[in-house]
Amino acid sequence: KQEVTQIPAALSVPEGENLVLNCSFTDSAIYNLQWFRQDPGKGLTSLLLIQSSQREQTSGRLNASLDKSSGRSTLYIAASQPGDSATYLCAADNYGQNFVFGPGTRLSVLP
Amino acid sequence: GAVVSQHPSWVICKSGTSVKIECRSLDFQATTMFWYRQFPKQSLMLMATSNEGSKATYEQGVEKDKFLINHASLTLSTLTVTSAHPEDSSFYICSVPGLADYNEQFFGPGTRLTVL
Repeated sequence: KQEVTQIPAALSVPEGENLVLNCSFTDSAIYNLQWFRQDPGKGLTSLLLIQSSQREQTSGRLNASLDKSSGRSTLYIAASQPGDSATYLCAADNYGQNFVFGPGTRLSVLP
Repeated sequence: GAVVSQHPSWVICKSGTSVKIECRSLDFQATTMFWYRQFPKQSLMLMATSNEGSKATYEQGVEKDKFLINHASLTLSTLTVTSAHPEDSSFYICSVPGLADYNEQFFGPGTRLTVL
């Protein structure tokens, strides 16, 4: 059974810092891995999706990497801004079993 | 990407009552929709897969008689929490898989249910 963990659980950084969020999964037989952003009381916004054959994906200030052999993915946020404050979730998609979500990392970027 | 709406955005009800939550795919037809539940400080958990024109598929541990799902049309799926109790208080989110990439999902804004 796939299990997904994320560290840290919470992170507070000053504006402008680069930061890394970590995601680990126990079953490396994933179809893809996806990073989401959740704002308080709102639904999820998909940030980046990495297919199992890919090593990384980039979108603006975001870069996500995937290492299936070690069961890890990282989300790198460059030059953080207060608007980046949210909870970031990673989710592993096992073939035919839909997504298994991590508990999330709550990010606060202080102005 | 797809636009997915949910109604209501929040609801408060008394214990024992039933609550219906709607999920709509606004810009394309969806034969499949997913329902998730998120308890405070916990992961999002898949509850069930809603299939247009057929019965929903429930995840292990989810009571199908308590969480009734009806996918009546290609743009609407409803989740009814029957005889709600305080432990059912949660954030319910639906999602619609993408047309180009089934594994890309578009999520609704969620519905916060509080059962008193």
